[in-house]
Amino acid sequence: NAGVTQTPKFRVLKTGQSMTLLCAQDMNHEYMYWYRQDPGMGLRLIHYSVGEGTTAKGEVPDGYNVSRLKKQNFLLGLESAAPSQTSVYFCATSKGGTYNEQFFGPGTRLTVL
Amino acid sequence: GQSLEQPSEVTAVEGAIVQINCTYQTSGFYGLSWYQQHDGGAPTFLSYNALDGLEETGRFSSFLSRSDSYGYLLLQELQMKDSASYFCAVRGDSWGKLQFGAGTQVVVTP
Repeated sequence: NAGVTQTPKFRVLKTGQSMTLLCAQDMNHEYMYWYRQDPGMGLRLIHYSVGEGTTAKGEVPDGYNVSRLKKQNFLLGLESAAPSQTSVYFCATSKGGTYNEQFFGPGTRLTVL
Repeated sequence: GQSLEQPSEVTAVEGAIVQINCTYQTSGFYGLSWYQQHDGGAPTFLSYNALDGLEETGRFSSFLSRSDSYGYLLLQELQMKDSASYFCAVRGDSWGKLQFGAGTQVVVTP
């Protein structure tokens, strides 16, 4: 089992370009999350989903959109990238409910020039 | 406002014991989690405390005092592989949303 995978691993964008980050899981988990991590900081929640077809805003949602059309995939989109979005992006999954452990993907390192 | 405070760095020698404190101020509280992250890697789950008291898992233990809004992670018999960043995170609601502290870098020296 692959667990949680993220595509791509690295990406360089120019300001104003768009891109989509893909998170895929084979753990059959209901809940999925997108975080960003900046140097010297903890992870901050961007958006999350508690089931197929549902999404909700997290702590820092501005400039991002998400979709969860299939249970196993959670997409994070940047419509018009800005240098402030240079970060490492982590996807995480959870069984949900009373389960507390989140399982993280390997991350996507994004640089916006 | 909402905040989680933890020390930025701790250095200790192999075999020693390290305690990482975390104080929190959040609007909702279901429990306190701890995650480990090695350089360039993904965070991995260590423990979760919903009730007051000590939870022990091998060389690592985690403690919570809800009345004091305080918890700690105790690393015993430190090994070189324990050199990593450790994050406390508050679960604030039923959807499992986590709010993370800035992390404590633990440096283990020979």
